[in-house]
Amino acid sequence: KAGVTQTPRYLIKTRGQQVTLSCSPISGHRSVSWYQQTPGQGLQFLFEYFSETQRNKGNFPGRFSGRQFSNSRSEMNVSTLELGDSALYLCASTPLGRGGSETQYFGPGTRLLVL
Amino acid sequence: AQTVTQSQPEMSVQEAETVTLSCTYDTSESDYYLFWYKQPPSRQMILVIRQEAYKQQNATENRFSVNFQKAAKSFSLKISDSQLGDAAMYFCAMYSGGGADGLTFGKGTHLIIQP
Repeated sequence: KAGVTQTPRYLIKTRGQQVTLSCSPISGHRSVSWYQQTPGQGLQFLFEYFSETQRNKGNFPGRFSGRQFSNSRSEMNVSTLELGDSALYLCASTPLGRGGSETQYFGPGTRLLVL
Repeated sequence: AQTVTQSQPEMSVQEAETVTLSCTYDTSESDYYLFWYKQPPSRQMILVIRQEAYKQQNATENRFSVNFQKAAKSFSLKISDSQLGDAAMYFCAMYSGGGADGLTFGKGTHLIIQP
């Protein structure tokens, strides 16, 4: 099976712009989670989607949003970009979204640079 | 709130020797799962090993094993016969029930393998 794919891999934006990142889970996986990785804060959970519904959300401002489509592909959107949003954004998928009882398989990430 | 702490920002080991990475955690949940993930320079997170809290037996995957001390809330990773390909950032992570917000990660340990 193909792994989790993320597009684009690299992105440069300027402050105030918005950005959309895409994640395609492993075929058959229905849960997608998003994480932000920065040198200062480390890895932080953004949100999780299962069957097109957001089930959990981390402690991020409303500028961060996401959605999931019927084919389980997920997008996350960041509006009004700030310099601090520069990060590696990782998505992970699991078959049934059963928390820790399933292994999360990560994609290669999208590196976002905000100038 | 749940926390994961890795007290060793960097570790170095000679090739073929054994190294132990430390991790402590805190959670009020009785049902939780612990993981070690490896992140090589490619940035792709790869699961190394997982442990269910309800299992007393320590998990083992080839050269990788854990020492799970539930009462002490400690979850260390032992890498035997270290290889150059083991060089990476290693993250300890936890998933606990009760509507937990995805995986909670430690800050990571940078493992250097010296030839």
